[in-house]
Amino acid sequence: DAGVTQSPTHLIKTRGQQVTLRCSPKSGHDTVSWYQQALGQGPQFIFQYYEEEERQRGNFPDRFSGHQFPNYSSELNVNALLLGDSALYLCASSWTGANSPLHFGNGTRLTVT
Amino acid sequence: DAKTTQPPSMDCAEGRAANLPCNHSTISGNEYVYWYRQIHSQGPQYIIHGLKNNETNEMASLIITEDRKSSTLILPHATLRDTAVYYCIVRPSSSGTYKYIFGTGTRLKVLA
Repeated sequence: DAGVTQSPTHLIKTRGQQVTLRCSPKSGHDTVSWYQQALGQGPQFIFQYYEEEERQRGNFPDRFSGHQFPNYSSELNVNALLLGDSALYLCASSWTGANSPLHFGNGTRLTVT
Repeated sequence: DAKTTQPPSMDCAEGRAANLPCNHSTISGNEYVYWYRQIHSQGPQYIIHGLKNNETNEMASLIITEDRKSSTLILPHATLRDTAVYYCIVRPSSSGTYKYIFGTGTRLKVLA
């Protein structure tokens, strides 16, 4: 049973460029959340998708956008990259039940130069 | 801001029990306590969660005080592979609040 898979594992981009990160949820899960983790910090919530709609959003600018597909997979898009966007981007999936714990992938390490 | 407080670091001898405390004095009646750990360069790994009763699974035990203002994660026989950052998170069980708010966690070092 595959867990949460993310691609790519590492990415280097230049300031001002755009990036797309991808996530496949754990089998049986229908909800996908995205988190940003800066070095030495805990993960910060970006947004969550359910039924192809953004259900909740954290304190991130509109440069961060996402999408969920009918097969529950998801993409995170970041436009106009800044040096401060360099971080580990984590995808987590869960079943929509209220107490269902999140299961995280191993993330995409994004470096903006 | 995170609703939990954890010590920044702890050491534990290999083979001994590791007891990781978490303070959540403002927890509400419908909020669950979740524990995760993060090994370097990996995503957070789910360990256990509970509401008010003590919980046990193959990885750990979770002890929640009767007033629910604090909890302890117990790794019964710590190994070197348990060295990680451990996060304690509280989240409402009702719909409408889906995000986890992570603090800075406890860095557990298991010593040989």
